[in-house]
Amino acid sequence: DAGITQSPRYKITETGRQVTLMCHQTWSHSYMFWYRQDLGHGLRLIYYSAAADITDKGEVPDGYVVSRSKTENFPLTLESATRSQTSVYFCASTTSGRYNEQFFGPGTRLTVL
Amino acid sequence: GQNIDQPTEMTATEGAIVQINCTYQTSGFNGLFWYQQHAGEAPTFLSYNVLDGLEEKGRFSSFLSRSKGYSYLLLKELQMKDSASYLCAVNPGANNLFFGTGTRLTVIP
Repeated sequence: DAGITQSPRYKITETGRQVTLMCHQTWSHSYMFWYRQDLGHGLRLIYYSAAADITDKGEVPDGYVVSRSKTENFPLTLESATRSQTSVYFCASTTSGRYNEQFFGPGTRLTVL
Repeated sequence: GQNIDQPTEMTATEGAIVQINCTYQTSGFNGLFWYQQHAGEAPTFLSYNVLDGLEEKGRFSSFLSRSKGYSYLLLKELQMKDSASYLCAVNPGANNLFFGTGTRLTVIP
C-alpha cells in the first residue's frame, strides 16, 4: 500500500539491548525524519535525512544511529537501549521545497525495561 | 534557539468557536504549521502559513503575524471529533520542523 509505514508498532526490550525501528515510504520523498514524543516535551527531532546517504542530527540524537542506503527506508537504531528512551517514535517524510508538509507514520511505542 | 508556547489544555462546547494561540521565537522562519493529533494516532496536517494573515479551510482557519511571532488556529462549529491535541510547529529555515508541546482540546456536549 502507498504511504508511510513503521514496524514494529509496539516493542518491549531490556536495558542494554540493541533495537532497530523501521520506516518505509512509497512516495519517493527525499526527506525523512525521526521524532520521539514524550509527555511534556511534544515532538522532538532525533535525526533527519535529505536524501539517500545524507543524514543529519536533530535536537536529541544521543544514543541513536540512523542510515539511509535507499530512498524509501530510514531505520533508527538504539545501540544500547536505556529507560529514558521509552517513548513513542514517529517517522515522517516530505518532498523538498518551501511548502514542506510532513506526512507521519503511525508510530512505534517502545518500552525499555 | 527555538521556543514555541501554546496552552496545555483547553475545553470548549460543541457548536462553539475556539481559538488556540501559539507564540514562537526561532532562529529563522520559513513557515508555521498546525497539526492535529488524536490520542494514540499520528499527527495530521491542518494548515500552513508563511505570510501574514488568515488562511481559511472549511471550519478551520489559521492566522499568522510574523512581526509578533504569533499564530492562532480557529476552529468553528466544534464537533466532538475535534477533541484532539493541536500542535504548532515552525520551520526555522531548513526542511525540518520544531514543534510546540501541543494543546489538548476537549469538546464537551
